[in-house]
Amino acid sequence: GAGVSQSPRYKVAKRGQDVALRCDPISGHVSLFWYQQALGQGPEFLTYFQNEAQLDKSGLPSDRFFAERPEGSVSTLKIQRTQQEDSAVYLCASSLGRVGNEKLFFGSGTQLSVL
Amino acid sequence: AQSVTQPDIHITVSEGASLELRCNYSYGATPYLFWYVQSPGQGLQLLLKYFSGDTLVQGIKGFEAEFKRSQSSFNLRKPSVHWSDAAEYFCAVGDRDDKIIFGKGTRLHILP
Repeated sequence: GAGVSQSPRYKVAKRGQDVALRCDPISGHVSLFWYQQALGQGPEFLTYFQNEAQLDKSGLPSDRFFAERPEGSVSTLKIQRTQQEDSAVYLCASSLGRVGNEKLFFGSGTQLSVL
Repeated sequence: AQSVTQPDIHITVSEGASLELRCNYSYGATPYLFWYVQSPGQGLQLLLKYFSGDTLVQGIKGFEAEFKRSQSSFNLRKPSVHWSDAAEYFCAVGDRDDKIIFGKGTRLHILP
């Protein structure tokens, strides 16, 4: 597709359930980012990749959060044993080159609700 | 580490009036600065960016922003707002080899 695609669009999970969120970046984009956006807040950085290498995961809130991009294209954000505080919109973005000097293209996000 | 402050959570202006949204950043070197807009139900879209050179940058939809190093600011402006400009605006700061950090956003309301 022409843009960044995220699936599912909405996810409802029971507390304690594991979830997996998928991001398909724009083809050929080197950098991929995950952000968490709580209601009424700005996007909070979680982690980013250059190709398959995870260069920074300092924003992951706990060891329940795990992200991978094994072939340097599609990425998955996994949250284990979900908690209510994990409820948020999870945004994926990609850029053509290196981080700071490139425009980020954002997906529409996955809205996660933990009951 | 870099950080971004958007002091105004909400701003209300009348249609046709001028607009200025404030952004202050903290960063040790010359940063890369961005403004993104998020409309209801839509993804974040880049309005403009500053890397170097002319401190007044032009963006899409008639927006501009001015980088002022002495004030650590990168305020967004528009001479005359339209009802369609109602949205959430995010200032962001980045580095060549580092992540991009977003502010908490300013929600713009337009009065008819």
